[in-house]
Amino acid sequence: EAAVTQSPRNKVAVTGGKVTLSCNQTNNHNNMYWYRQDTGHGLRLIHYSYGAGSTEKGDIPDGYKASRPSQENFSLILELATPSQTSVYFCASGDVKTNSDYTFGSGTRLLVI
Amino acid sequence: GQQVQQSPASLVLQEGENAELQCNFSSTATQLQWFYQSPGGSLVSLLSNPSGTKHTGRLTSTTVTKERRSSLHISSSQTTDSGTYLCAIDVGDNSKLIWGLGTSLVVNP
Repeated sequence: EAAVTQSPRNKVAVTGGKVTLSCNQTNNHNNMYWYRQDTGHGLRLIHYSYGAGSTEKGDIPDGYKASRPSQENFSLILELATPSQTSVYFCASGDVKTNSDYTFGSGTRLLVI
Repeated sequence: GQQVQQSPASLVLQEGENAELQCNFSSTATQLQWFYQSPGGSLVSLLSNPSGTKHTGRLTSTTVTKERRSSLHISSSQTTDSGTYLCAIDVGDNSKLIWGLGTSLVVNP
């Protein structure tokens, strides 16, 4: 069954440390997305990708990098984690323009202390 | 301001009652989707409806594009329908979705 898998599910990081969130999809979708979700803000787009080797800045890219080494994998990297990056992060694949099913991962809860 | 506004912010129903959720948007949408987020946090796509009326199971969505609004009707609600319903639009900007803040639905037994 096609799916989007995120890891880790939970992460505690130290301020100033490096954090990598991983996402793998078996949907064969070209587009992948990283969002964060915070109370009062809804889902906000951090980075997205149109395919292997492509990364694009979303609406709130500051403090985050992304990497898309293959069709299946899309990582979100926090080089210097800060407490303000404490959030729930969701990865998704899909393309609404082609009505490809927009599929989310289960989310990663990140706590930066 | 918020480009996608959902109302009501929260809704409490008794099992069996119907729910009507609204989504209004300030930009011309080339695509509109409804999503469900469970109390545990998982997100799933419910249906895509850029215009007209679409049905799936107990869900009916009606989108009036030129009035920039969409509704999601849930008939005969069940306790398992409890969660947050999110509306998102694509305004043609590189497949990026713009999200509403959602309607939190609680269905009591």
